[in-house]
Amino acid sequence: GAVVSQHPSRVICKSGTSVKIECRSLDFQATTMFWYRQFPKQSLMLMATSNEGSKATYEQGVEKDKFLINHASLTLSTLTVTSAHPEDSSFYICSASAGQEGSPLHFGNGTRLTVT
Amino acid sequence: DAKTTQPTSMDCAEGRAANLPCNHSTISGNEYVYWYRQIHSQGPQYIIHGLKNNETNEMASLIITEDRKSSTLILPHATLRDTAVYYCIVRVAGSGGYQKVTFGTGTKLQVIP
Repeated sequence: GAVVSQHPSRVICKSGTSVKIECRSLDFQATTMFWYRQFPKQSLMLMATSNEGSKATYEQGVEKDKFLINHASLTLSTLTVTSAHPEDSSFYICSASAGQEGSPLHFGNGTRLTVT
Repeated sequence: DAKTTQPTSMDCAEGRAANLPCNHSTISGNEYVYWYRQIHSQGPQYIIHGLKNNETNEMASLIITEDRKSSTLILPHATLRDTAVYYCIVRVAGSGGYQKVTFGTGTKLQVIP
């Protein structure tokens, strides 16, 4: 089945630094990828839609200058959390679809970000 | 996306069938029903999806009512490893990967020994 790889699985950074998270579709091409954030005991919240070769589309309330998304190829999207603060500590998850009609989204295993 | 309604939590005895309901009364004719589950601290795992007909795979069965306003995910023989949050989602067909998916609160399934 389709595999989405996310890296790193866990990262700890200091307040004020930036962190980059990678999302790769390993065996299919993904024109569109999605980035979610999940706080403890809550559901996934969509942050942005990443489009290959164009600007990402951000959900309301998500700062585009803080969460930089780059989708440079059909198999790779990156999310950079800039000037991280402790409140950015969360579980970040990416997903992608192969694009055929009705095809499901496949999700990475998530990145646990802790900002100290 | 059409909104879905699921019970907040359910218990199921190990070895018994787990039946997880989902209401999607405003579903459109071209929207598929998808089921995912999320085990603690992992990304959601795709389980099954369908449009009109009932579907079965190695993980589960999906029963969709004739009017498509509700569906049931069936885990035929629940194990402790099936303890997870189960999400029911509806999504427009034909849009491929382009249409965003939003998650509700899901059903927390607890499989009891």
